[in-house]
Amino acid sequence: GEDVEQSLFLSVREGDSSVINCTYTDSSSTYLYWYKQEPGAGLQLLTYIFSNMDMKQDQRLTVLLNKKDKHLSLRIADTQTGDSAIYFCGLGSQGNLIFGKGTKLSVKP
Amino acid sequence: DTGVSQDPRHKITKRGQNVTFRCDPISEHNRLYWYRQTLGQGPEFLTYFQNEAQLEKSRLLSDRFSAERPKGSFSTLEIQRTEQGDSAMYLCASSSMKYEQYFGPGTRLTVT
Repeated sequence: GEDVEQSLFLSVREGDSSVINCTYTDSSSTYLYWYKQEPGAGLQLLTYIFSNMDMKQDQRLTVLLNKKDKHLSLRIADTQTGDSAIYFCGLGSQGNLIFGKGTKLSVKP
Repeated sequence: DTGVSQDPRHKITKRGQNVTFRCDPISEHNRLYWYRQTLGQGPEFLTYFQNEAQLEKSRLLSDRFSAERPKGSFSTLEIQRTEQGDSAMYLCASSSMKYEQYFGPGTRLTVT
């Protein structure tokens, strides 16, 4: 089955860029998602990319997909303290999503 | 559009009791998903519905778990004879045919 790996922690300074990485094993997923989860809350959909795309930009967010290396990344420009949260990558096709364990982003003022 | 709602937000129950959770999806979303999330983990898929049909069930969904979506709108997830290992956050999500899944705030279950 699909295995999704993420680094558990990332710490950056306010104003810097953050890059959160995700690797996966199964290349059959059609959609690749990034979600944000704040303490005690559900998951907030940030952005997603189709498997036939290499890059997607949405305001401060840039998603890069390297299908050859099965690597997905999320870059957050000008990181703010409000970006502190856990970020999950999720992969799926027509039904359920498979998630990594999440990367906890800490933003230092 | 008020988003996905879940009720209750928190539930504390004693081992062996039955519990039922409710999820109201975004209106006109025909797909509804249930996930379970334990501490330090990502959400794990349990089951999903397209309209009122339950199309897929995970092996995590033991015989003690049952989900329904009788009229293709809201859904319920029931856990019978709860065990301490059932303590988790139960998340509901919904989507249209575009496959963007929008999550609710979750129901946190604590089994004592």
